[in-house]
Amino acid sequence: KNEVEQSPQNLTAQEGEFITINCSYSVGISALHWLQQHPGGGIVSLFMLSSGKKKHGRLIATINIQEKHSSLHITASHPRDSAVYICAVVPSGGSNYKLTFGKGTLLTVNP
Amino acid sequence: DAGITQSPRHKVTETGTPVTLRCHQTENHRYMYWYRQDPGHGLRLIHYSYGVKDTDKGEVSDGYSVSRSKTEDFLLTLESATSSQTSVYFCAISVRQGEAYGYTFGSGTRLTVV
Repeated sequence: KNEVEQSPQNLTAQEGEFITINCSYSVGISALHWLQQHPGGGIVSLFMLSSGKKKHGRLIATINIQEKHSSLHITASHPRDSAVYICAVVPSGGSNYKLTFGKGTLLTVNP
Repeated sequence: DAGITQSPRHKVTETGTPVTLRCHQTENHRYMYWYRQDPGHGLRLIHYSYGVKDTDKGEVSDGYSVSRSKTEDFLLTLESATSSQTSVYFCAISVRQGEAYGYTFGSGTRLTVV
């Protein structure tokens, strides 16, 4: 079983909808990352979280350490948000600079 | 933003030939990583480096070697390429930000082994 599970695997939305992508993990962590990858593109770091909530523009990331769960929200979604969103964690108690990745969520936002 | 470049961006090579991918960074960061990305598997760590001449294996290191003779360059070598090594390869660096490490990824190298 993968240590990091994302849901859904695929998500299709209409422009303007509120989007939620979930990430659950099974190990203790020191940090969690949300990454974005456009089709055929590079990987961009969106957020790094160790507690609470962070907001950047229309993107909001939350984490609940006790429940081992994080969510990425996109408000007023737009076709340019179409991408793969990847959750990654840094397990605690080990090398705190190595990531364990989820398999990603493919988001398609239709106009 | 850390300057990190990968070369080449695309390569097609024949089975059995050696291939070297280069990752170059401009800001003297200590930690560098090579990942491969495959459908259904996500990103997997091949090798990483924590300083000049200090490297270690990741979860999918078989068939790959690395070298880091200078802080700025981290080379990934496929000694004898196989079709199973067809993949997209990403280099990354990590930088300490408070209690944790932030990551910056290169643009990727698409390698096809025929």
